[in-house]
Amino acid sequence: DVKVTQSSRYLVKRTGEKVFLECVQDMDHENMFWYRQDPGLGLRLIYFSYDVKMKEKGDIPEGYSVSREKKERFSLILESASTNQTSMYLCASSFAQGLHIQYFGAGTRLSVL
Amino acid sequence: AQKITQTQPGMFVQEKEAVTLDCTYDTSDPSYGLFWYKQPSSGEMIFLIYQGSYDQQNATEGRYSLNFQKARKSANLVISASQLGDSAMYFCAMREVNNAGNMLTFGGGTRLMVKP
Repeated sequence: DVKVTQSSRYLVKRTGEKVFLECVQDMDHENMFWYRQDPGLGLRLIYFSYDVKMKEKGDIPEGYSVSREKKERFSLILESASTNQTSMYLCASSFAQGLHIQYFGAGTRLSVL
Repeated sequence: AQKITQTQPGMFVQEKEAVTLDCTYDTSDPSYGLFWYKQPSSGEMIFLIYQGSYDQQNATEGRYSLNFQKARKSANLVISASQLGDSAMYFCAMREVNNAGNMLTFGGGTRLMVKP
């Protein structure tokens, strides 16, 4: 079974803090993705990576950065957290070939106070 | 314009009945893929079913089937014999082959509630 693990299910941070969300996959997938999910808006892509040290902006990259130093790990960084970044964050991974089915982690619910 | 539209924010269905969740999409790419995901209250997105734009037959996976009407650009999910465990959010998504990075575009979701 594919396993995508996000380091925290719930996080509470203060405005201005630097926040790291970690994601690890065990299927040797080339592609990894970070989404945020807000009610009524579905999932919106923040960043994705198709290889180690490679990253591409998604639809809403402002206020975020990412790091992919190893193939299995993709980190989302909030340089200075703000209250409008309170959301559910979902990590996903997929192969670069075939159907590109994305497999998701359980999500991290982040609250910024 | 929205690329994926799910017009039903919430739906009820009686246990053991069938239910159809609507999804329409918009693309000019001749080659694309359509996905349905389930998100229970636990939060994890679970892949359910896939339909390729060139697939001749509608996809089926157990109690899930995809009613693919290419000319109408619709890809409705049909769940047969609903179970209480089917209560969840359901998301339709599309991958356009020509987009770099194999990104998925998601609809806003439909919350399905199964009544006992």
